[in-house]
Amino acid sequence: GQQLNQSPQSMFIQEGEDVSMNCTSSSIFNTWLWYKQDPGEGPVLLIALYKAGELTSNGRLTAQFGITRKDSFLNISASIPSDVGIYFCAGQGSGGSNYKLTFGKGTLLTVNP
Amino acid sequence: NAGVTQTPKFQVLKTGQSMTLQCAQDMNHNSMYWYRQDPGMGLRLIYYSASEGTTDKGEVPNGYNVSRLNKREFSLRLESAAPSQTSVYFCASSLSGGRNTEAFFGQGTRLTVV
Repeated sequence: GQQLNQSPQSMFIQEGEDVSMNCTSSSIFNTWLWYKQDPGEGPVLLIALYKAGELTSNGRLTAQFGITRKDSFLNISASIPSDVGIYFCAGQGSGGSNYKLTFGKGTLLTVNP
Repeated sequence: NAGVTQTPKFQVLKTGQSMTLQCAQDMNHNSMYWYRQDPGMGLRLIYYSASEGTTDKGEVPNGYNVSRLNKREFSLRLESAAPSQTSVYFCASSLSGGRNTEAFFGQGTRLTVV
């Protein structure tokens, strides 16, 4: 099956720093999604990407759909304490199961005030 | 704006007991999903329903059954719970495939099997 490699697994940063995380796959994806999960909650969609090369921002968050369609990255600028959580990438593949999402294992972000 | 609602939020079961996790969405979505989340494993798909009347196995279906009761509701059943099924279970829904694959999640059911 399709697998996503998400890195880094965890990050510990100071408030105000920029953050970058990425996902790679051996398979081509048609859609890349980025989610954030707060403790005790379900994942919440941050950014959706639909086209190779697409660069999309949502406030301090910026994500890009890789040209090869096999990777995506998420940047967070000027981090704040409420950015703490687990960030997941998810990809939607092609073919018969094109409505299913494959998730990365997540990046745990800790922000030190 | 309820979105995706899961019940119960917490449950403790003894090994061998059965239970059904309920999920309902009010967004008129066609597709619904059940995931489990374990530390370091991310979200793994158990079963999904692309549309009303259809269900298919995901990555980790063993020990589970599902029912797509109608367009709104998708339940997950554990017939004989095992400690390995201790996990956080998330239900999600999406409009359909293609550009409508964006999935919206419930708040989760935290299940402990002792």
